[in-house]
Amino acid sequence: DARVTQTPRDKVTEMGQEVTMRCQPILGHNTVFWYRQTMMQGLELLAYFRNRAPLDDSGMPKDRFSAEMPDATLATLKIQPSEPRDSAVYFCASGFGGPNEQFFGPGTRLTVL
Amino acid sequence: EDKVVQSPLSLVVHEGDTVTLNCSYEVTNFRSLLWYKQEKKAPTFLFMLTSSGIEKKSGRLSSILDKKELFSILNITATQTGDSAVYLCAGGSQGNLIFGKGTKLSVKP
Repeated sequence: DARVTQTPRDKVTEMGQEVTMRCQPILGHNTVFWYRQTMMQGLELLAYFRNRAPLDDSGMPKDRFSAEMPDATLATLKIQPSEPRDSAVYFCASGFGGPNEQFFGPGTRLTVL
Repeated sequence: EDKVVQSPLSLVVHEGDTVTLNCSYEVTNFRSLLWYKQEKKAPTFLFMLTSSGIEKKSGRLSSILDKKELFSILNITATQTGDSAVYLCAGGSQGNLIFGKGTKLSVKP
């Protein structure tokens, strides 16, 4: 049963600390997305990759967020330094891009104190 | 700017009721409209619609797309408490999916 995996599932950290979230997409999918979900804003697209190349990261605060895909089985989202307003659930999703279905991972719940 | 707007934002019904959730979209190079259900975890896929007027059905859920009026509806008949969730609509373009803020459905016994 192929699924997207994310680690950690929960992260509590203090303001100013570095946070790294990891995602393993479904094998064979060529597009990986990072979303942030809050009660106020709903689901926001932060960045996405196709064939490991970044296609769009316009939704991401560039000064503190960075996203990479070091290989086809791993995507990372890093926040440095973290701030309380970054508290949210971060979802990774994978698929074949474009208008097609995306398969979501279980999410990382981040709390920045 | 591309946008997807869902209504109502929240809805409370009783078991057995029928509900209709609405989704309107303005998406450049529109290709598809997707519905997801989100309980306490990740969104799970329900339907993908690409053609106007063709209803998709899965059990008590059905959905239809109107590409002329730029909207879609999701119907749930004979609702059950297990249908309580946030229902997300997303417009798909060449690039990716643009999500609405969702409709929170609560089904009371």
